[in-house]
Amino acid sequence: DTGVSQDPRHKITKRGQNVTFRCDPISEHNRLYWYRQTLGQGPEFLTYFQNEAQLEKSRLLSDRFSAERPKGSFSTLEIQRTEQGDSAMYLCASSPTTGAPEQFFGPGTRLTVL
Amino acid sequence: AQKVTQAQTEISVVEKEDVTLDCVYETRDTTYYLFWYKQPPSGELVFLIRRNSFDEQNEISGRYSWNFQKSTSSFNFTITASQVVDSAVYFCALSEARGATNKLIFGTGTLLAVQP
Repeated sequence: DTGVSQDPRHKITKRGQNVTFRCDPISEHNRLYWYRQTLGQGPEFLTYFQNEAQLEKSRLLSDRFSAERPKGSFSTLEIQRTEQGDSAMYLCASSPTTGAPEQFFGPGTRLTVL
Repeated sequence: AQKVTQAQTEISVVEKEDVTLDCVYETRDTTYYLFWYKQPPSGELVFLIRRNSFDEQNEISGRYSWNFQKSTSSFNFTITASQVVDSAVYFCALSEARGATNKLIFGTGTLLAVQP
């Protein structure tokens, strides 16, 4: 059983560029979450999908951020016109719809905006 | 509003010592979940334990044990006979049980350093 995977693991970009991250959840998990973690802090919730429906977005998710889960399987998180304040670790997690509520996390994508 | 507080920023112990990590939470929900996650230097968050708000029985799992006290809104986590491999940041987290999202609210983490 493979866990949650994320790609790329590291991304360095210049301010103003667009970046896109991918998350592949555990195959039978319907729930998918994106979190952001900055240095010395705990992860903060960004958005949630149940299957292909995006059911909740945090106020942290500005208009420059967009997330999709087109077929209810993998998800993408795009950041347009990146700013230095976007530098962080972006974490994806998944969990089944029923049963145990714990979320299983991927290795994260570390974004550095120069 | 939901909030998780981990007052201990860093703890340093010598191998084989027992160590307890503190967690205090705030929520208006009557039904909720509490979790502990471990984040080793590699960065990946690893699920350790979950406790439901309606079950205050404390348990032991191997070298891990936890003490959930609803009266004081605390969910402390103990590692017995610590090992160097236990060195990591430990996060306490909270989620509502009846909401549609079950998003996790994390504390700021406690960095545990186990010295050989």
